[in-house]
Amino acid sequence: DQQVKQNSPSLRVQEGRISILNCDYTNSMFDYFLWYKKYPAEGPTFLISISSIKDKNEDGRFTVFLNKSAKHLSLHIVPSQPGDSAVYFCAAQSGSQGNLIFGKGTKLSVKP
Amino acid sequence: EPEVTQTPSHQVTQMGQEVILRCVPISNHLYFYWYRQILGQKVEFLVSFYNNEISEKSEIFDDQFSVERPDGSNFTLKIRSTKLEDSAMYFCASSGPSGSTDTQYFGPGTRLTVL
Repeated sequence: DQQVKQNSPSLRVQEGRISILNCDYTNSMFDYFLWYKKYPAEGPTFLISISSIKDKNEDGRFTVFLNKSAKHLSLHIVPSQPGDSAVYFCAAQSGSQGNLIFGKGTKLSVKP
Repeated sequence: EPEVTQTPSHQVTQMGQEVILRCVPISNHLYFYWYRQILGQKVEFLVSFYNNEISEKSEIFDDQFSVERPDGSNFTLKIRSTKLEDSAMYFCASSGPSGSTDTQYFGPGTRLTVL
């Protein structure tokens, strides 16, 4: 069963434009949602997270929005840069030390 | 900046052999995790470890798997008798003491190939 879903396997964006990566979840008991970025042959790198009691968290070019009623979150990257090209994983967590449940990832390609 | 390290980067073994994957978590972290990613699939949780014992494990983590923190720095994953389907990238992660921002930081992974 897929508790965390990323329905878009890939996304292509022009440099300087906004990238929007989407994620849906099924379990309303999740406490935290996180985004990780992964380059080939490397481990996932933490980007940004959001608590289930908030609806927005911003860190520089990265903003995560949470819509609890729709069980949906999104990661906005603006402006997008070629170095942002990677696979982006959405993850959900119950409790601050709980295991992470990952989506399948979205491969972002930012073209110059 | 502190980071999680893993050795070896690539391990090739014969089916039925034992393997030990090693991790050095970030030094002041207290919670440790193993995940794996089979090629083309999602990253899956295996086990979490705190205070020298397993705190949670998934269905994947059966009797063939074990974890250990043999000293103050290393955290190991042992697979007793490897199967072809154990071929995957294995990631170690660690997180700090309890708090509101207990982000899990991942190592670079060990690619396990079972022949």
